[in-house]
Amino acid sequence: GQNIDQPTEMTATEGAIVQINCTYQTSGFNGLFWYQQHAGEAPTFLSYNVLDGLEEKGRFSSFLSRSKGYSYLLLKELQMKDSASYLCAEKDSNYQLIWGAGTKLIIKP
Amino acid sequence: DVKVTQSSRYLVKRTGEKVFLECVQDMDHENMFWYRQDPGLGLRLIYFSYDVKMKEKGDIPEGYSVSREKKERFSLILESASTNQTSMYLCASSYRGESSPLHFGNGTRLTVT
Repeated sequence: GQNIDQPTEMTATEGAIVQINCTYQTSGFNGLFWYQQHAGEAPTFLSYNVLDGLEEKGRFSSFLSRSKGYSYLLLKELQMKDSASYLCAEKDSNYQLIWGAGTKLIIKP
Repeated sequence: DVKVTQSSRYLVKRTGEKVFLECVQDMDHENMFWYRQDPGLGLRLIYFSYDVKMKEKGDIPEGYSVSREKKERFSLILESASTNQTSMYLCASSYRGESSPLHFGNGTRLTVT
């Protein structure tokens, strides 16, 4: 079946840049979503990519390479409030979302 | 702002009880979903609905049923709660369309003892 892989946990320093990677199986791809989830809260939408390339949205950018089955979320000028889990989800051939287990990002001062 | 409201934030039930989890959205979204979220696993789809009175099984429907009598409301029912259904339950809604993002409720943490 489909598999989404992303690192379990990452640590970064306030003010720095961090890249969270996500790989997925390439058959039947219909888009890639990133969500942010603070502890105890609902996931909130960050970005959607369906074409190759980089989409920039303020401090956050998302990149997609369909041929490589690869995406990343880039967070710049990290702030303490960016400490959260980041969920990667692929929309498959049936237009259903396949979710990664999430990457817990810890920001240190 | 889209609002998805789940009726309970925390719920404790006994094994064998019938449990109702309610979800209401206020943005006239066609699609509604129920997920469960467990540590170390991605969100797992239980049931979804693309229209009133319509329901489709997700990846893990066993032990659950749903009801969508009105467009804004999607209910998840645990017919006979079991301890392995202890989890965080997330309701979500979206417009039709491939790029439409999901809007989530704050979740119901259900404990079955």
